[in-house]
Amino acid sequence: GAVVSQHPSWVICKSGTSVKIECRSLDFQATTMFWYRQFPKQSLMLMATSNEGSKATYEQGVEKDKFLINHASLTLSTLTVTSAHPEDSSFYICSARGPQGARTEAFFGQGTRLTVV
Amino acid sequence: AQSVTQLDSHVSVSEGTPVLLRCNYSSSYSPSLFWYVQHPNKGLQLLLKYTSAATLVKGINGFEAEFKKSETSFHLTKPSAHMSDAAEYFCVVSEPGGGNKLTFGTGTQLKVEL
Repeated sequence: GAVVSQHPSWVICKSGTSVKIECRSLDFQATTMFWYRQFPKQSLMLMATSNEGSKATYEQGVEKDKFLINHASLTLSTLTVTSAHPEDSSFYICSARGPQGARTEAFFGQGTRLTVV
Repeated sequence: AQSVTQLDSHVSVSEGTPVLLRCNYSSSYSPSLFWYVQHPNKGLQLLLKYTSAATLVKGINGFEAEFKKSETSFHLTKPSAHMSDAAEYFCVVSEPGGGNKLTFGTGTQLKVEL
């Protein structure tokens, strides 16, 4: 299957700093990318949906100024957690879908474990 | 609107015995359905998908699922569990016009015992 590469796999940062997470589709054009947050032993919570070249659509309750999403190309999306605080510590996962839309599967990155100290 | 219900949060089986993970869905349209597996601290891996073709879908690692429209179900099965199958499993639905979004079930933790 297609490959989605997410980096870094883990990161520790100080409170107040910003962290950037990259998500790349290696062998297909990802017209839509999704960013999720996952709390321990829970399902994935959709944070935002981004289409290449457009502004991301954020889910209700997700602060767009805190979680900056950029989808500048068909193979790269980034999530920047700005002014991180300990409550932002979580597992973040990206996924990507091709142009065929709802009938196709999404491919997931390996996830990023963010710890804010 | 689409939704997914995974009926069991935890399932425990003995190695070599059958696995059944239950999933019911709700959709206003003809949905696509997926099963994903997640091992600890990893991303999600696709096991299988239903996209309006054959109702019995075979996936990787011996898993299969049957789409039953009359029961709005898409249960995941495997004839014989292996220790390596221990993981979290998510049933996921997608429908046209939903902004290309996936809707996840709450997950089922599968435990495989010797």
